[in-house]
Amino acid sequence: DARVTQTPRHKVTEMGQEVTMRCQPILGHNTVFWYRQTMMQGLELLAYFRNRAPLDDSGMPKDRFSAEMPDATLATLKIQPSEPRDSAVYFCASGSLDRTQYFGPGTRLTVL
Amino acid sequence: DQQVKQNSPSLSVQEGRISILNCDYTNSMFDYFLWYKKYPAEGPTFLISISSIKDKNEDGRFTVFLNKSAKHLSLHIVPSQPGDSAVYFCAASAWNRDDKIIFGKGTRLHILP
Repeated sequence: DARVTQTPRHKVTEMGQEVTMRCQPILGHNTVFWYRQTMMQGLELLAYFRNRAPLDDSGMPKDRFSAEMPDATLATLKIQPSEPRDSAVYFCASGSLDRTQYFGPGTRLTVL
Repeated sequence: DQQVKQNSPSLSVQEGRISILNCDYTNSMFDYFLWYKKYPAEGPTFLISISSIKDKNEDGRFTVFLNKSAKHLSLHIVPSQPGDSAVYFCAASAWNRDDKIIFGKGTRLHILP
């Protein structure tokens, strides 16, 4: 049963701390996406990769957010320093040629 | 500028009846449309999709209809079941936008006993 996995599922941290979220895409998928879900904005695309190369990170606040894909089985989203307004649920999704994306369970981030 | 719009934030339907969720889009370059279902504390789950070369796609109780001239699609669930209570996201993709999907803000469906 192929699934996207994300860790941690929940993270509570204090303002100013570094936060790292991890994602394991479905084996064989060549695109990976990071989304943020907020009440006001719905699902916002933060960044995405194809074949591990970053293609678009225009949705990310670049001064504090960074996304990487060190290998085909791991994508990371880092926030440094974190702020209370970053509190949200962060989803990773992976996809292949047919443009359908499959989502992980999300990381619920709370920044105090 | 919202390219994919779900104008009903919520919808209540009696169990056993038909649920119809609607979605409008503005970008005529969209050629692939998807519906996702989301339960609380879980990620969105892919439900059904349709290519712009079709006007209907069916999968069990779920049917998606596409009206390209009106830039409108709808998801029909027949018959509605309690487990269908969730948030439904409409999404669209354009062939010239790489692999990106644009999501609507979702419609919360309540199935009433």
